[in-house]
Amino acid sequence: GENVEQHPSTLSVQEGDSAVIKCTYSDSASNYFPWYKQELGKGPQLIIDIRSNVGEKKDQRIAVTLNKTAKHFSLHITETQPEDSAVYFCAVQTGANNLFFGTGTRLTVIP
Amino acid sequence: NAGVMQNPRHLVRRRGQEARLRCSPMKGHSHVYWYRQLPEEGLKFMVYLQKENIIDESGMPKERFSAEFPKEGPSILRIQQVVRGDSAAYFCASSGGAMNTEAFFGQGTRLTVV
Repeated sequence: GENVEQHPSTLSVQEGDSAVIKCTYSDSASNYFPWYKQELGKGPQLIIDIRSNVGEKKDQRIAVTLNKTAKHFSLHITETQPEDSAVYFCAVQTGANNLFFGTGTRLTVIP
Repeated sequence: NAGVMQNPRHLVRRRGQEARLRCSPMKGHSHVYWYRQLPEEGLKFMVYLQKENIIDESGMPKERFSAEFPKEGPSILRIQQVVRGDSAAYFCASSGGAMNTEAFFGQGTRLTVV
């Protein structure tokens, strides 16, 4: 199956700074790349996604970039706020197969 | 439009008992995925089902675990003869299609085996 690596595992930033989380994958046929945010005691929440025909997508303070040649994609959060503190997971889907998840990044935004 | 509903939210079972976890997908969704999550760890794929069919069960232990998604009613993840190592959060997600379609998660069932 797909091998998804996510870095860093933990990330602390000052409020207002930017946060970047990166994921790499192994299957060049992968074509769908969502990001999820998981708060304590809750289920993962889809926050943004990108498909293989697009290189970048932005939604307010959140953006995702995709480099298909290098097989990596990144989540960018600008102007971070304390409520952005959570665990973030990247995921990869190949065709009609299931979603493979990264190991997660615990983001802490320091007020 | 209700989201993905999982019940129960918390389930306590003694070793050797059976655990039944239910997942009602979002309205209009016919694809269900089950994941298992240990504390401080990621989401491990277990099984992917469409209505009345198991598409991929490569992540599910062959013994004691089974899953179904009947034509009517919720998807069920069944764990027989539970052991302490089965204690985890079990999440299901649903989507409306097989390819490149957003998958939405429920709040999970936290299983504790005592």
